[in-house]
Parts: sequence; C-alpha cells; structure tokens
Amino acid sequence: AQKVTQAQTEISVVEKEDVTLDCVYETRDTTYYLFWYKQPPSGELVFLIRRNSFDEQNEISGRYSWNFQKSTSSFNFTITASQVVDSAVYFCALSEARAAGNKLTFGGGTRVLVKP
Amino acid sequence: GAVVSQHPSWVICKSGTSVKIECRSLDFQATTMFWYRQFPKQSLMLMATSNEGSKATYEQGVEKDKFLINHASLTLSTLTVTSAHPEDSSFYICSARDMGQESYEQYFGPGTRLTVT
Repeated sequence: AQKVTQAQTEISVVEKEDVTLDCVYETRDTTYYLFWYKQPPSGELVFLIRRNSFDEQNEISGRYSWNFQKSTSSFNFTITASQVVDSAVYFCALSEARAAGNKLTFGGGTRVLVKP
Repeated sequence: GAVVSQHPSWVICKSGTSVKIECRSLDFQATTMFWYRQFPKQSLMLMATSNEGSKATYEQGVEKDKFLINHASLTLSTLTVTSAHPEDSSFYICSARDMGQESYEQYFGPGTRLTVT
C-alpha cells in the first residue's frame, strides 16, 4: 500500500526566509510518480512538479527546488526567499504505476504561513 | 490546455435533499476521473475512481449508495450526494486523467463547497 507522510503540519516564516517542506513516502512499486501541489485559500489545487521514480535529478524552478532521494524515500521541497504569496497548504502525493487507475495518495499537507 | 471545471462551485442544501456535482474535462478526453473529499484543515481523501462506461470503484468506507457516481461520457462525470446530512458538508474536488498522456498526471477541478443545513 502506498503512503505519504508530511511530518510538518504548519510552518511559519518571515518573508525572505527559506523554508523546506519534508515528504517521505512508502511504496512497494518500482515505478511510481511523486507530485507536489499548492492549495491557496481559494481551494484550487495548483500543480507544481511531477517526478518519476527513475529520475533522481534535483530540480529548480525559480524560487522552488526539489530534492528527490530514493535511498531515504524522500521528496523534499524548498522555497527560497519566501514571499507572502507563498502562504498556502502544500501537499506531496504519490501515484503507483500498479495502483488501479493510478490513483493519487496525498500526504497530510503542510500549511506555510509567510509573514511580511 | 488540460482544464477541468466543476459545477456548482458552491452549494447550500437542506438536510435530506440530494445534490449533484458535475466535473468536466474541457479540452481533453478522460476515461478516468477521480472524486476527492476534503474536510477543513485536512488532506484530500479519495472517495472513488470513475471510469467511463463502467461502474465506479469506491474506496473503503465510502458508501456507494450515498455517493452516486456516473461517468457517461469521456468529458463528464457526476457525483450525487443523496439524502445529504450536515456531516456531508465538505469540499469536493474532482480530477481527470488525460487519455493521451502516460505521465499519470491528474488535472484538478476548482472544487465544490457543499454546505448541508
């Protein structure tokens, strides 16, 4: 069974600070995808990144970066120089290739509050 | 591209009535759509997987007779909450997989906020 754990329920930072969100996953499948989504107060999920299990390269997109380490089953997300607009709930999710319909399993989410 | 819409965006209904929520993929075809429920300050929980032309697959603990899912076409799935009660008040989100992609990516709708009084 697939499982995603986001140990941090809430993180509060001051603007321009860096913030790292942890994500640890469990799966028996060798082929899977990992995702990060942002959910602002409006509720609509915003797709941030998708990474497949065979690609361990780290990725940077603007102020966002991701660190994927299969050895520790982690897919951590860092926001550099945070801004107030980054305040949202962030979800890490996992989809196994063998799961029926390739359904997503979400972590519990981490609420990020960026104070001015 | 890859836009998913939901209608209505919010609804208030009285206890005991039924509510239908629509999920549409606007610019792609989706053989598979998913329905999630999210209670305040909680994560998204998958309720069911909807496959076009066949019966939905419900997750454990989800009452299939209470949450009726119909996926009659490649662009439309509906969720009907029957005999709604206050405990059904929640944020319902659908997502759809693009048939033309192998990336397992799901495109999410904006959600429907249901309040049962």
